[in-house]
Amino acid sequence: EIVLTQSPGTLSLSPGERATLFCRASQSVSTFYLAWYQQKPGQAPRLLIYGVSSRATGIPDRFSGSGSGTDFTLTISRLEPEDFAVYYCQQYGRSPPITFGQGTRLEIK
Amino acid sequence: EVQLVESGGGLVQPGGSMRLSCAASGFTFSTYGMNWVRQAPGKGLEWVSGFSGTGDTTYYADSVKGRFTISRDISRNMLFLQMNSLRVEDTATYYCAKDRSPWTDYFFFDSWGQGILVTVSS
Repeated sequence: EIVLTQSPGTLSLSPGERATLFCRASQSVSTFYLAWYQQKPGQAPRLLIYGVSSRATGIPDRFSGSGSGTDFTLTISRLEPEDFAVYYCQQYGRSPPITFGQGTRLEIK
Repeated sequence: EVQLVESGGGLVQPGGSMRLSCAASGFTFSTYGMNWVRQAPGKGLEWVSGFSGTGDTTYYADSVKGRFTISRDISRNMLFLQMNSLRVEDTATYYCAKDRSPWTDYFFFDSWGQGILVTVSS
């Protein structure tokens, strides 16, 4: 099973700043099978990025994903007030197990 | 518009059983993989079980294998999770989640239900 470790645990930034979130896998993630989700309190997760760098439907272009192998990054270019939430990375593939990182909390500074 | 609505949660004693349901609408249910993902209070996300979008294959996390059974009723656009031998550590909000692409098994999820709370406690 691939273990995903996200860093930092908490990130404190101000609106307008750039946010960089990291996700490291315990072994190489095959063929770009890495996704990112956003979750706000009391809500279900929302798919942001899949295939490492493809934005899901309706996701603003301030969100971008990159990386390969074992190291992946979610970047939010200019933070809006609605971006403060918890973010999870997920590795997937043609068969389980499917795993999520433990999450990064992005909070207002 | 895709809609996923879970039902059937609540309080159950350790060792007991519970059946969750997910009513799906707004897409061709039979062509998409469907999954259950859970989240313990204050914790992260854990994939629990999936029903293949390419056939009748089912998948389970090791933590629930042998205790939980996923099934679907295509005629009613319903997904189910039968949970037996429940443990305190199964306490969580359970989400029904749809695979993004039809006729595939990639297990990443573009639509989620609102979640249903299952509490296992004596």
